[in-house]
Amino acid sequence: SSELTQDPVVSVALGQTVRITCQGDRLRNNYASWYRQRPGQAPELVIFGNNNRPSGIPDRISGSSSGNTASLTITGAQAEDEADYFCNCRDTTNTKPWVFGGGTKVTVL
Amino acid sequence: QVQLVESGGGVVQPGRSLRLSCAASGFTFSTSGMHWVRQAPGKGLDWLAVISSDGTSKYYTDSVKGRFTLSRDNSKNMIYLQMSSLKTEDTAVYYCLRWNTRGAFDIWGQGTMVTVSS
Repeated sequence: SSELTQDPVVSVALGQTVRITCQGDRLRNNYASWYRQRPGQAPELVIFGNNNRPSGIPDRISGSSSGNTASLTITGAQAEDEADYFCNCRDTTNTKPWVFGGGTKVTVL
Repeated sequence: QVQLVESGGGVVQPGRSLRLSCAASGFTFSTSGMHWVRQAPGKGLDWLAVISSDGTSKYYTDSVKGRFTLSRDNSKNMIYLQMSSLKTEDTAVYYCLRWNTRGAFDIWGQGTMVTVSS
């Protein structure tokens, strides 16, 4: 399958750790990137190349990948981490080269 | 500063056409592959199309192939999305974005809303 699958909703207590996963065959041989979308805003890049942060993204946000699963972890979740998170992966061998996961809504309790 | 600004959205009847524009600034536009992504109300992100840095190569997702056309003008730092035969399911916020050399969409516009309704 060329699709990327994410859990729709995840909740985390303030200050605790949450991991969001993204599953898909194309992740086995290609890098994942992650995007955060706060309410009413455009998405923004938070992780690229599986585990790299752009400047300005706090180090409590981290990424990893193994096999067909990419993960984004928020350590010590803050209120401002409440958002929708989307994974993306480019596969140039696929008829749809770029695909986004369905998104995970993270709620900070 | 580095930014992308979309324009051209609005309300249009099914079957009609609309052209979206995206103005780039603050980065080397002429060497950047550019994309369009849309987001229907309350839904996720849907990748639509890409145009290469020189405009010679374009690729579309199946749902818009033959109806949407991408172009760019590197002298004006602009890209355009010509949308025709619009359907109600094309209703969405449309974003233009840059795919960078490190393999990610690092610059996003604020989006422009397209509503297809009779």
